[in-house]
Amino acid sequence: DAKTTQPNSMESNEEEPVHLPCNHSTISGTDYIHWYRQLPSQGPEYVIHGLTSNVNNRMASLAIAEDRKSSTLILHRATLRDAAVYYCILRDVPGKLIFGQGTTLQVKP
Amino acid sequence: KAGVTQTPRYLIKTRGQQVTLSCSPISGHRSVSWYQQTPGQGLQFLFEYFSETQRNKGNFPGRFSGRQFSNSRSEMNVSTLELGDSALYLCASSLGHGSGASYEQYFGPGTRLTVT
Repeated sequence: DAKTTQPNSMESNEEEPVHLPCNHSTISGTDYIHWYRQLPSQGPEYVIHGLTSNVNNRMASLAIAEDRKSSTLILHRATLRDAAVYYCILRDVPGKLIFGQGTTLQVKP
Repeated sequence: KAGVTQTPRYLIKTRGQQVTLSCSPISGHRSVSWYQQTPGQGLQFLFEYFSETQRNKGNFPGRFSGRQFSNSRSEMNVSTLELGDSALYLCASSLGHGSGASYEQYFGPGTRLTVT
């Protein structure tokens, strides 16, 4: 399973954009880049995923580097509810997610 | 549409006993995956079932087993419980399997198992 590297923690101010980086230098051509987050006392929640092109949905945007060795999850306006652990996951096998340590995002009012 | 449900939500067992946890996926979802979450090891993949067949398995001992029924509901069983099995057990469902490495998973709230 390909590995990802994320900062342990990040801080953001409320209503400001947040850029959460992820390095995945050993990514293979069939690996999808998935992002999940886990709010306190809850199960993980799907955020977004992509393969090669940048992706947008109602929750966030995913920017993928041209060589696919890194990606960035973008929260356009952080709210207090966005405080969570964010996991960047490479996935080439259906049904199986390999979670790393993730990035703990703190949002300050 | 109802989300993933897991029962029971909390469970206390004694070492040596066995336990069965239940997961009902989102309606129409045919894949169910199980994960264990502990403070020390984080989130770890246990196994995945699709169409009543185990498709993937993580690195857990044979004491951990599961099954899926024809209605896609799934159960996992842990036999001969050890103290280290105390954890949050999470179930996740997704629409498909196939070439769907892109399929997102939807997680339930988990079952908190305490082994004393």
